[in-house]
Amino acid sequence: DTAVSQTPKYLVTQMGNDKSIKCEQNLGHDTMYWYKQDSKKFLKIMFSYNNKELIINETVPNRFSPKSPDKAHLNLHINSLELGDSAVYFCASSLKKDFSGSSYEQYFGPGTRLTVT
Amino acid sequence: QQPVQSPQAVILREGEDAVINCSSSKALYSVHWYRQKHGEAPVFLMILLKGGEQKGHEKISASFNEKKQQSSLYLTASQLSYSGTYFCGTENWADKIIFGKGTRLHILP
Repeated sequence: DTAVSQTPKYLVTQMGNDKSIKCEQNLGHDTMYWYKQDSKKFLKIMFSYNNKELIINETVPNRFSPKSPDKAHLNLHINSLELGDSAVYFCASSLKKDFSGSSYEQYFGPGTRLTVT
Repeated sequence: QQPVQSPQAVILREGEDAVINCSSSKALYSVHWYRQKHGEAPVFLMILLKGGEQKGHEKISASFNEKKQQSSLYLTASQLSYSGTYFCGTENWADKIIFGKGTRLHILP
C-alpha cells in the first residue's frame, strides 16, 4: 500500500499550457504539503493544508492554485506554464502538531517531474 | 531564512564516520533531518525539538543546541546505503519547515 501517491510521475508539456498534479495519502494525516525541488535540489515549501484549510501559502505565483477536496487529497493546478516551472514537485503529509506543539515527520510522495518546453 | 548546512559534500569509505552540521540565524522550535537518494523522495530520519525531545530512527544520532541554533547529524560506521543527500529543515513558530541546500554524502566500498 502506497502511503502518499502522486500522479502523474512525469509530465512534459509546452509553455502556456495548464496542467494538474494529484496527490493522495492513506495515512490518515491531517496536514498535506506541496514542495518544489529545482534543478539545484533546493526543496522549497509552496503550500500547506490542514483539514482542507490553507495554512501556508508561500510567495508563489498566482498561476499555482492548490485544492483540497478532502483531507486525504491535495491537488495542484498550474496555469500558463513557464520554463521556470520545470522542477520536481513533491506532495507530503504529516500529523498536525499536537496540543503541546510537538512536530511530526513528513511522508513524501514519489514526486512529479514536470518539464516545460 | 534558509539554514546553512556544512559540509556541502562528503566522500567516505565504508565504516568511516561523518558529521553534518546545520545552523540557523533565527530561534528554532525544531530541527528535522531527511535523506534523499537520487531520483527518490526525501525520507524522514529525525526530529529534534526544543526542550530535548527527539523522534526518529534508533540508528540515527543527532544533537540540537537551542542556544546556538545549531544541529548536527552523526553517521557512524557508515554503510553504502547511507549515500544520498541529507537535508536539515528548521522550524520556527510559523508551522513550516525551511530546508537547507543539502549535504551530498557518497560512501565508497
